[in-house]
Amino acid sequence: DTEVTQTPKHLVMGMTNKKSLKCEQHMGHRAMYWYKQKAKKPPELMFVYSYEKLSINESVPSRFSPECPNSSLLNLHLHALQPEDSALYLCASSRGQVNYNEQFFGPGTRLTVL
Amino acid sequence: KQEVTQIPAALSVPEGENLVLNCSFTDSAIYNLQWFRQDPGKGLTSLLLIQSSQREQTSGRLNASLDKSSGRSTLYIAASQPGDSATYLCAVMENQGGKLIFGQGTELSVKP
Repeated sequence: DTEVTQTPKHLVMGMTNKKSLKCEQHMGHRAMYWYKQKAKKPPELMFVYSYEKLSINESVPSRFSPECPNSSLLNLHLHALQPEDSALYLCASSRGQVNYNEQFFGPGTRLTVL
Repeated sequence: KQEVTQIPAALSVPEGENLVLNCSFTDSAIYNLQWFRQDPGKGLTSLLLIQSSQREQTSGRLNASLDKSSGRSTLYIAASQPGDSATYLCAVMENQGGKLIFGQGTELSVKP
């Protein structure tokens, strides 16, 4: 199984809502990532978890709150988002955080903030 | 600061052509380089990973080369097919943190 799954596929939320994005992998990978991709732009890294611990936060606003409950699961909690946060949110995983490891991406969650 | 550039931004070719996509990076101190394909509105599919110590990798009709000293990589697609139409992204990893830095992508259209 070389699949990273993400739910939901699409999400529409108001600026006062609280929602969560979910990512799951069963490849035994110990590093997981959140990327944000705006239309016609490349993905940009948001967070990296290594062995369930947050190792990189790319100065992401606190309205985005990541969580890694176990080695297979990664969540992104959303609160008080702005319309400019509308984007495709991609999750990825790799065997480890160190170099040499290929990153595998999920299909993404298309988020629209009204 | 590492910058990754992909040329051309868009490419349209007839089916059956062999083609080359280019990727350049400004800092040669990379750990690896990864090529991805992205279909519209979808996630990224990993095509090839080249470690910094390697010169090339092959998978089916795809061949990727890496010249670290000159800061260049190419993705060669043989006998292109309409199903190859997608955006192709290259990304470099420059430290042990796992952060990938992406180019802007090349949008490929293969006409039947």
